[in-house]
Amino acid sequence: GNSVTQMEGPVTLSEEAFLTINCTYTATGYPSLFWYVQYPGEGLQLLLKATKADDKGSNKGFEATYRKETTSFHLEKGSVQVSDSAVYFCALSDQWTGNQFYFGTGTSLTVIP
Amino acid sequence: DAGVIQSPRHEVTEMGQEVTLRCKPISGHDYLFWYRQTMMRGLELLIYFNNNVPIDDSGMPEDRFSAKMPNASFSTLKIQPSEPRDSAVYFCASRGQGLDYGYTFGSGTRLTVV
Repeated sequence: GNSVTQMEGPVTLSEEAFLTINCTYTATGYPSLFWYVQYPGEGLQLLLKATKADDKGSNKGFEATYRKETTSFHLEKGSVQVSDSAVYFCALSDQWTGNQFYFGTGTSLTVIP
Repeated sequence: DAGVIQSPRHEVTEMGQEVTLRCKPISGHDYLFWYRQTMMRGLELLIYFNNNVPIDDSGMPEDRFSAKMPNASFSTLKIQPSEPRDSAVYFCASRGQGLDYGYTFGSGTRLTVV
């Protein structure tokens, strides 16, 4: 079946630190992979996506590369800001059950000045 | 585009009362999803529709929960009777055709049942 596993949080970093949030997946087909971000009191927003192996998604300084060989889609940012404090969700959409997303449990990030 | 619109943003109700949550998806999106989010269980898919037809309601916790989509621009999630354990944030999301499309989420309805 399909599933997504994210690193446990919460994660606390100082401003300008390097961020990595690990995400690995299990899928029966060839999934598309997504990262969503949820700011306090808001819904989830699409941050970036990659639809095939070796694709790199990027947005707002965040990047993630679709690695088929390691079934991973780790989220990275070189220098975090206080405004990046949020919960980050990894998700996949499978070609066979493409209507439905499978979400990870979310990783809470707090960036301190 | 106004995005996915949910109402109300907050709802406080007494146990046993009926609660109706509303959602207006993005125009042209074929799929609509209802999720529930709690600290304990994270994001749970309750039900989703394709072209106004319910496709999978296996996530609906029990018969007290029901959802309808009478047309392409409106959906409701109803809880009757409500219980304190239903307290959560309920999200509606929509998406278009194609695997590359992500979901667009609404801002959610925070439900508190006292």
